[in-house]
Amino acid sequence: NAGVMQNPRHLVRRRGQEARLRCSPMKGHSHVYWYRQLPEEGLKFMVYLQKENIIDESGMPKERFSAEFPKEGPSILRIQQVVRGDSAAYFCASSPIPRTETYEQYFGPGTRLTVT
Amino acid sequence: DQQVKQNSPSLSVQEGRISILNCDYTNSMFDYFLWYKKYPAEGPTFLISISSIKDKNEDGRFTVFLNKSAKHLSLHIVPSQPGDSAVYFCAATLSGAGSYQLTFGKGTKLSVIP
Repeated sequence: NAGVMQNPRHLVRRRGQEARLRCSPMKGHSHVYWYRQLPEEGLKFMVYLQKENIIDESGMPKERFSAEFPKEGPSILRIQQVVRGDSAAYFCASSPIPRTETYEQYFGPGTRLTVT
Repeated sequence: DQQVKQNSPSLSVQEGRISILNCDYTNSMFDYFLWYKKYPAEGPTFLISISSIKDKNEDGRFTVFLNKSAKHLSLHIVPSQPGDSAVYFCAATLSGAGSYQLTFGKGTKLSVIP
């Protein structure tokens, strides 16, 4: 019963380094969402991907952030030249083909990024 | 500009009593609402949802009520149990749009006292 997998669970980067966060969706799910949670805040949508396609990236910062979901392998959220303000918990969620009855998304455990 | 608001950061309830968590939204286009529960260092877990065509949905100890005219929904937990202690997030989405992104409130931390 594999749920949404994220790795690493914790990531420490120095300012200016790159961070790569990985997400494997639940079996049978082909839609992936990335959310960011800053301290004391709710989750904020970043990007929605299907295999090999970015469907909605309206929540992604314009610079330094990118996401992909290749035909094979996990979805990757990439943050270049990290700054302290990027420190947050990053959650990945997956869903089966939308337009189901519940619009429910299943979340992974998150990656906690700390920028020093 | 917060489109989904949970105005109570925290709530304490005695075990066995009812917990009522509230949520307000400003975007009248939202037509599907979900509640998630989150423990520390874990991802959110889906609890219950409701479509805007309904005003109530029940699942075991959890009931969600929707008042569209007031743009308000609430989650009732009866009876409350210590294991219910967690942060509860209200979320909303537009079911007819192409993105299905969820818009979350900031959460309410529920503490159930034994």
